[in-house]
Amino acid sequence: DQQVKQNSPSLSVQEGRISILNCDYTNSMFDYFLWYKKYPAEGPTFLISISSIKDKNEDGRFTVFLNKSAKHLSLHIVPSQPGDSAVYFCAAIVSGGSYIPTFGRGTSLIVHP
Amino acid sequence: DVKVTQSSRYLVKRTGEKVFLECVQDMDHENMFWYRQDPGLGLRLIYFSYDVKMKEKGDIPEGYSVSREKKERFSLILESASTNQTSMYLCASRSLGQGRNTIYFGEGSWLTVV
Repeated sequence: DQQVKQNSPSLSVQEGRISILNCDYTNSMFDYFLWYKKYPAEGPTFLISISSIKDKNEDGRFTVFLNKSAKHLSLHIVPSQPGDSAVYFCAAIVSGGSYIPTFGRGTSLIVHP
Repeated sequence: DVKVTQSSRYLVKRTGEKVFLECVQDMDHENMFWYRQDPGLGLRLIYFSYDVKMKEKGDIPEGYSVSREKKERFSLILESASTNQTSMYLCASRSLGQGRNTIYFGEGSWLTVV
């Protein structure tokens, strides 16, 4: 049973517009969340994270929002660029436990010029 | 910068062969991981290691084993490769100190079993 769900396998966005990638989780014990970006034939790279004590974290064009009551987080990319085209994985961790991240299945973002 | 190096980027092996995938990290990280990535299935944990000579099964350990004789090196072993093990394999590591929530991945090893 998936504890971290990325229900949209793919997303297509025009360059310059906002990209919104969504992630839902079922385990209320998760208290730390990460986003990774992966290009084809490369390993995932860490993008941004958020602790459950916050509801927003921003880093340049990337912002992650966390809605604990809805068990939902989202990654916003503004403005989107063609180089953002990649697969994005959401991950969740139970801090104080094993710290083993549970990953979603990923969303493939395509940003059209 | 953290460096996780997977020695083989692309391999083609025959069914029944024994396969070794090697991973080395240069940051003295305690934890190391092996994942596989398949389209539509995301990243699935095969094995992880808390420290030297320690290993724990992940979500899909069947058909795999691991070895961690030195802190910097974590090997994934396919005892008898099968076609359903054709995949991209990703090694990762993590410190137990500050920043413990972030794991760092290698560039991946593409394995094709024919």
